[in-house]
Amino acid sequence: EDQVTQSPEALRLQEGESSSLNCSYTVSGLRGLFWYRQDPGKGPEFLFTLYSAGEEKEKERLKATLTKKESFLHITAPKPEDSATYLCAVHDGGATNKLIFGTGTLLAVQP
Amino acid sequence: DAGVTQSPTHLIKTRGQQVTLRCSPISGHKSVSWYQQVLGQGPQFIFQYYEKEERGRGNFPDRFSARQFPNYSSELNVNALLLGDSALYLCASSLEVGVNEKLFFGSGTQLSVL
Repeated sequence: EDQVTQSPEALRLQEGESSSLNCSYTVSGLRGLFWYRQDPGKGPEFLFTLYSAGEEKEKERLKATLTKKESFLHITAPKPEDSATYLCAVHDGGATNKLIFGTGTLLAVQP
Repeated sequence: DAGVTQSPTHLIKTRGQQVTLRCSPISGHKSVSWYQQVLGQGPQFIFQYYEKEERGRGNFPDRFSARQFPNYSSELNVNALLLGDSALYLCASSLEVGVNEKLFFGSGTQLSVL
């Protein structure tokens, strides 16, 4: 059964303190790994899609990387506005848009 | 441009009642998916509709049903509500169906069952 595990569950950083969030996955054949950001009371907001091991994508202070078993979301010099829950998901490989989500990492960046 | 819109934003029901949630996708998007997000968990797939036809169904009981209209808007119905149905219900739209499609989520409907 496809599974996505995120760690840590929660992370508190000081402004400017870089760190990484982890997403490990177990799928029969990866057909896309997705990172989303979710603010309280809002729906998830798309950040990145990665398809193959070795692929990297960047957006402002965020960089997502992918290996054969896990993905990392690196946050460089975070700001308080980066505080949110970061969700990782994999496509289930079927003929739908079904994503299998992890439980997320709650990031708090203190000024 | 308007994003995915959902209504109502909040809803309180009692056990055994029925509820209908509504979603309008981004203009031009033909696919709508529904997800349930329980507090502290990631979203779980309920349904996907494309061109008014059901394309996928998650592991949810038959009390959950949905449909898509000719204008691509969608409704999610839940019958015989249980306390465990309390959750944030998210609608997501995409242009087409497939692994390359980016999902755009609405802000959700927060359902509380008392």
